[in-house]
Amino acid sequence: KQEVTQIPAALSVPEGENLVLNCSFTDSAIYNLQWFRQDPGKGLTSLLLIQSSQREQTSGRLNASLDKSSGRSTLYIAASQPGDSATYLCAVRDNTNAGKSTFGDGTTLTVKP
Amino acid sequence: DTGVSQDPRHKITKRGQNVTFRCDPISEHNRLYWYRQTLGQGPEFLTYFQNEAQLEKSRLLSDRFSAERPKGSFSTLEIQRTEQGDSAMYLCASTEQFTDRYFGPGTRLTVL
Repeated sequence: KQEVTQIPAALSVPEGENLVLNCSFTDSAIYNLQWFRQDPGKGLTSLLLIQSSQREQTSGRLNASLDKSSGRSTLYIAASQPGDSATYLCAVRDNTNAGKSTFGDGTTLTVKP
Repeated sequence: DTGVSQDPRHKITKRGQNVTFRCDPISEHNRLYWYRQTLGQGPEFLTYFQNEAQLEKSRLLSDRFSAERPKGSFSTLEIQRTEQGDSAMYLCASTEQFTDRYFGPGTRLTVL
């Protein structure tokens, strides 16, 4: 059974700092890995999708890496801003036809002005 | 098309009542998923549809839960005889094959 762990559970940084969020998974047989952002009481917004054959994806100040063999992914946020404050969720999609995702419990980020 | 929509956004009900939620996916997406999220946890998979066929259900989906997607478009999730443990955010997502997955805003259920 796939298990996804995100460390740290919470993180508080001053504005402008670069930071890294970590995600680890136990079964390397994944189809892809996706990072989401969730604001309080809201749905999920997709940030980056990395296919299993890829090593990283970039979008603006965000960079996500994937090391499938070691079961790890990182989300790097450059020059953090107060608007980045949210919960960041990592989800791995399995290789079955259903392609369901297993989520971590998220890292809650607070960026202080 | 503005994305995945869910209705209602909030539902408060008394224990023992039945509730039904609706999800309207992005129109060209043939795959639809339901997830449940409790406070401080990541979403957990409940069930999956490909077109109108329900192809997989989680063990989390007890006999009190039923989901349908009658014409391969919108989907409904019904919970019968609600319990306080059913209080959660219910999220719907849609995708076309294995492309990016789009989530709706969720329905927050509170069972008193």
